[in-house]
Parts: sequence; C-alpha cells; structure tokens
Amino acid sequence: AQKITQTQPGMFVQEKEAVTLDCTYDTSDPSYGLFWYKQPSSGEMIFLIYQGSYDQQNATEGRYSLNFQKARKSANLVISASQLGDSAMYFCAMRGPNQGAQKLVFGQGTRLTINP
Amino acid sequence: DAGVIQSPRHEVTEMGQEVTLRCKPISGHNSLFWYRQTMMRGLELLIYFNNNVPIDDSGMPEDRFSAKMPNASFSTLKIQPSEPRDSAVYFCASSLVLGILRTGSNTIYFGEGSWLTVV
Repeated sequence: AQKITQTQPGMFVQEKEAVTLDCTYDTSDPSYGLFWYKQPSSGEMIFLIYQGSYDQQNATEGRYSLNFQKARKSANLVISASQLGDSAMYFCAMRGPNQGAQKLVFGQGTRLTINP
Repeated sequence: DAGVIQSPRHEVTEMGQEVTLRCKPISGHNSLFWYRQTMMRGLELLIYFNNNVPIDDSGMPEDRFSAKMPNASFSTLKIQPSEPRDSAVYFCASSLVLGILRTGSNTIYFGEGSWLTVV
C-alpha cells in the first residue's frame, strides 16, 4: 500500500527566507507520481508541482521546486523567497501508475506560517 | 476554463436529513473523485469514477453514503440520513487519464469544497 509521511505539523519562517517542507513516501510500485498541494485558509486545494518517478530532473514551478531523492523515498518541497501569501497548509500526495491506483494518497499536511 | 464546480459551498442541516452534494468536473476529464477532509482523519478518498463507472468505493464510510455519476459532467454524493460525525469538507476533484499511466501523472484538480455541518 502507498503511504505518505509529513513529519512537520507546523513551521514558522521569516518572510523572504527559503523553506523546505519534508515528505517521505512508501510504495512498492516502480512507477508513481508525487504532488504537492497548497490549502490556504479559504479552503481550496491548489496544485503546486508534480514529480514523476522516472523524471531525471527535479521539478520546478516558479518559486517552487521539488527535491526528489528516489533512493531515500523523499520528495521535499522547497519554496524560495517566501512571501506572506505562502502561509497555508501544504499537502504531499502520491498517485500510482495504473487504473486501479489512480487515487491520490495524502500526507497529514504541514502548516506553514510566514512571519513578516 | 472553468475548474471543478461544487455546490453547495456551505450547508447546515439537522441530523437525520438527507444531504446531496453536487459536482461538475472539468470538461473533458474522465476521472472524478470525492474526498472528505476532517481535522481528525485528514483527506480521505471516498470514491472515484473512471468514465462514469465507480472504480473504488472502499472509502465510503457506510451505507448512508452513496455516489452517482450519471454522465461525464455531473456527479452527486448523497448522505441519508446525515449524522453530526459527517460534518466535514467534501471535495470533488477531476483528472484526465489516458490509458495506463506511466508515472501516475495527470494532475487531479480540486473544487473549492462543500462545507457540511450536521447539527
């Protein structure tokens, strides 16, 4: 079974600093996808970034990058130059390769607070 | 382009009443998911459909919950009778899946959620 672990319930970071949110995963499938979502206080789930298990390079999307270490089964989200608007819950999620495993399995989330 | 549309956004109902949550997926998407979010249990998948067919409903809590997808552009999640422990945010999400995925790609996009309170 697939499992996602986020060990940081909460993080506090000064504005403009970089922040790393940890995510480890467990799966026996060689083929899978890893996702990060942001959930602000308004409640919606916003897709941030995706990393495929066969991707050779770490994914990047603007200020977001994913530090993918396959051997260690970790997929940490890095936010550069944090902004006050980055304060939110962040969820790491994993998805399997085939039709029977299309669902996303989520971690418990990390609440990030950016201080001015 | 319109995203996933859910209704109602907020609902307060009395215990024992029937609740129907509605979802319109992104046009062209062929997979639809219903998730529930609570403080205690986090985000849980209730059921998902592929090409309007339920594929995995193992997350549906009990017989009080039912979900349908009569066509590619509409799905409902019904709770009858509702109980206070059903209070949660219910998310609908959709994705386009073409055949067998190599790496589990094809992003799942979420609606804004339906905030349900059962008193």
